[in-house]
Amino acid sequence: KAGVTQTPRYLIKTRGQQVTLSCSPISGHRSVSWYQQTPGQGLQFLFEYFSETQRNKGNFPGRFSGRQFSNSRSEMNVSTLELGDSALYLCASSLPPAGQGAHGYTFGSGTRLTVV
Amino acid sequence: TQLLEQSPQFLSIQEGENLTVYCNSSSVFSSLQWYRQEPGEGPVLLVTVVTGGEVKKLKRLTFQFGDARKDSSLHITAAQPGDTGLYLCAGEYGNKLVFGAGTILRVKS
Repeated sequence: KAGVTQTPRYLIKTRGQQVTLSCSPISGHRSVSWYQQTPGQGLQFLFEYFSETQRNKGNFPGRFSGRQFSNSRSEMNVSTLELGDSALYLCASSLPPAGQGAHGYTFGSGTRLTVV
Repeated sequence: TQLLEQSPQFLSIQEGENLTVYCNSSSVFSSLQWYRQEPGEGPVLLVTVVTGGEVKKLKRLTFQFGDARKDSSLHITAAQPGDTGLYLCAGEYGNKLVFGAGTILRVKS
């Protein structure tokens, strides 16, 4: 079966712009979680969506938002980009909701965002 | 303060050596997971340990879950250059998966 697909793989944006990243989970998986990975902070949880509802949100400013569609595909948006938003953005899908015995998440290859 | 503390942060060893990576917490987890990540790619799940005291083996990798379900270890026997990567432990906490800071392993031939 197809894995988790993230697009685009690479992005270069200018400060102040906005960006939208996409994640298509494994077929049948209804939970999508987003993470930001940087060398200094490691993997930080952004938010999780299950059945089009945001179930949990990490400690990030309101510039970071997301949504999930009826086919479980998810998007995350970052507005008013800052240099510190440069990171690898990862999404992960699981069959049950996060925190309910998923016992294993499948990650996409990530989107490398560079803000200049 | 990380919920999951991993040690060591960095490990550089010769091919053929053994190593152990530790993942510790003051919290109890229903399960812990171990992932391996290569540069520019997403983490790949290696194993999930669920039962306190559980030991799982994956070829040269041995994973152990502490009796109290607060800690875990990853032992690699006879490391090979292909084992090089970032090793991450993770656990479900408050409806999300939280990660340790990771251990960067470099195996030199």
